[in-house]
Amino acid sequence: DSGVTQTPKHLITATGQRVTLRCSPRSGDLSVYWYQQSLDQGLQFLIQYYNGEERAKGNILERFSAQQFPDLHSELNLSSLELGDSALYFCASSVGGQGTNEQYFGPGTRLTVT
Amino acid sequence: AQSVTQLGSHVSVSEGALVLLRCNYSSSVPPYLFWYVQYPNQGLQLLLKYTSAATLVKGINGFEAEFKKSETSFHLTKPSAHMSDAAEYFCAVSGRGSNYKLTFGKGTLLTVNP
Repeated sequence: DSGVTQTPKHLITATGQRVTLRCSPRSGDLSVYWYQQSLDQGLQFLIQYYNGEERAKGNILERFSAQQFPDLHSELNLSSLELGDSALYFCASSVGGQGTNEQYFGPGTRLTVT
Repeated sequence: AQSVTQLGSHVSVSEGALVLLRCNYSSSVPPYLFWYVQYPNQGLQLLLKYTSAATLVKGINGFEAEFKKSETSFHLTKPSAHMSDAAEYFCAVSGRGSNYKLTFGKGTLLTVNP
């Protein structure tokens, strides 16, 4: 158990809908990262927050947004969903925003868009 | 830009045999390198990391990796494979700027035969 929690574990929804994925980092970790894992794209970095502020953006679509709240939990919002958005979404956390800080991954949320 | 190439999408070994999973990186600055393992239907677990201290890094579950700058490699090894090592392994690189995202390789699926 990494100490990072993600809810829900599974999500099935229809095209065009909007969903919210939730992540609680390990106690004491200030950085949260979101990654998408799919068969064709592999593991792709989406976005990073550090202590409530956006730190870096990766291959995140404009239909997707995220935020980190004062209690440090984070939410990833996916809207106007398409079939291609079906993937495993991971949240990771680290103590700080340094490259040496290992990232601890949650169990993921499996999103299926039908 | 940083990148990681994992040679071999699938490696099969016999129980008790040497495990060797190959990873080559590309980075314009000294990198931080990581190996993660993913068991079926689970998140990623950190095996080990290289952060420019010792070039031979020991991790959990008997795994180790050697950083070779001249070969831009960070191969993962284990002297004797166990059935429980069967999983997917990912090599990842992180930078030193303000963006500390992990860039992952495509992964290597390790099969251990009895």
